[in-house]
Amino acid sequence: EAGVTQSPTHLIKTRGQQVTLRCSPISGHTSVYWYQQALGLGLQFLLWYDEGEERNRGNFPPRFSGRQFPNYSSELNVNALELEDSALYLCASSTGQGYGNTIYFGEGSWLTVV
Amino acid sequence: GENVEQHPSTLSVQEGDSAVIKCTYSDSASNYFPWYKQELGKRPQLIIDIRSNVGEKKDQRIAVTLNKTAKHFSLHITETQPEDSAVYFCAASQNAGGTSYGKLTFGQGTILTVHP
Repeated sequence: EAGVTQSPTHLIKTRGQQVTLRCSPISGHTSVYWYQQALGLGLQFLLWYDEGEERNRGNFPPRFSGRQFPNYSSELNVNALELEDSALYLCASSTGQGYGNTIYFGEGSWLTVV
Repeated sequence: GENVEQHPSTLSVQEGDSAVIKCTYSDSASNYFPWYKQELGKRPQLIIDIRSNVGEKKDQRIAVTLNKTAKHFSLHITETQPEDSAVYFCAASQNAGGTSYGKLTFGQGTILTVHP
């Protein structure tokens, strides 16, 4: 069974640009989560999508946004990139709400903003 | 919101020794507590988790204990091996009122080094 897949694996952007990161969840999983792992700051919850709807978002500015498609894949968009957006962006998936769900992470997308 | 504190930030042990990492959480509504292991440049991998209806769970050399009253939980690794060297993260979440187990609040991580 394929795990959570993310693309691209690495990318470099210039401050002020926009970036789109992509995620395909494990087959059968309807929930997708995005996390940011910046150096020295641990993992911070960004967004949660389930059944195509945004269910919750973390304490991030509106320039961080995303969506979930009918096939449950997801995109994370970051506009007006800032240097501090440099981080590993992790996508995770689970079978959705409900007791007993475990989330599984993808390998992440390394974003460097210069 | 939830706040998770993790200690120690670094832990160095000799191969064969035990390692203990401790976390405290602030939100008494949290009811799911996973532990993740992250090797350098790799994704976090779930190694064990515990839900609030149990006080202890064990999987081979790894065990987790939960004290709901004190709002703390701990990871215990026995008979450590060099391949246990990694960053370990604790986390907490709840599944109630529209939230999800997947909205995890993580501790800051513990760098575990096991010396041969």
